[in-house]
Amino acid sequence: NAGVTQTPKFRVLKTGQSMTLLCAQDMNHEYMYWYRQDPGMGLRLIHYSVGEGTTAKGEVPDGYNVSRLKKQNFLLGLESAAPSQTSVYFCASSRGLAVYEQYFGPGTRLTVT
Amino acid sequence: GIQVEQSPPDLILQEGANSTLRCNFSDSVNNLQWFHQNPWGQLINLFYIPSGTKQNGRLSATTVATERYSLLYISSSQTTDSGVYFCAVLNAGGTSYGKLTFGQGTILTVHP
Repeated sequence: NAGVTQTPKFRVLKTGQSMTLLCAQDMNHEYMYWYRQDPGMGLRLIHYSVGEGTTAKGEVPDGYNVSRLKKQNFLLGLESAAPSQTSVYFCASSRGLAVYEQYFGPGTRLTVT
Repeated sequence: GIQVEQSPPDLILQEGANSTLRCNFSDSVNNLQWFHQNPWGQLINLFYIPSGTKQNGRLSATTVATERYSLLYISSSQTTDSGVYFCAVLNAGGTSYGKLTFGQGTILTVHP
């Protein structure tokens, strides 16, 4: 039982390049989330999904797109990377929305030059 | 939106010492979690504790929801306890859509 996994662990992009971050969970959770963490700060929600085939915007969605084609996977895409997107990205999942514990992946460290 | 304040911002201890970290929040919550972010950046779930008291080994936590605060106790601290401790809450009302709001964290350093 791996929990929540993320690939890749590290990535360096040039401004304008695109990439996709993959999150996978094996806990059969309905809800999945993408957060970003900037230096000296807590995490902020980018996008979330309440089930297979659904996505919605979070607190800081601009510049990102997401897809949830399979229940166990949640993809985060950057179509044209900008230096402001340099951050550590965390994926999380939970069984339900409000009163359920969220479990986090190990994070992806992204640098955009 | 809901505000989350953690104190102290920094804490330096000698191995073996005890400590208390505090989390204040500005509104009713459905969910409160404590995390430890280790020096490698990994977020470790410590407690899911919207109310009441829980213990796990040397760590325990208490949330008094009516007074809008939570406390994390670390006893007999070890160097491996070093890192950042985050409190995160989910607002009970409004359109919080599952978004955990994180505090700024407490940076704990334990010296041997």
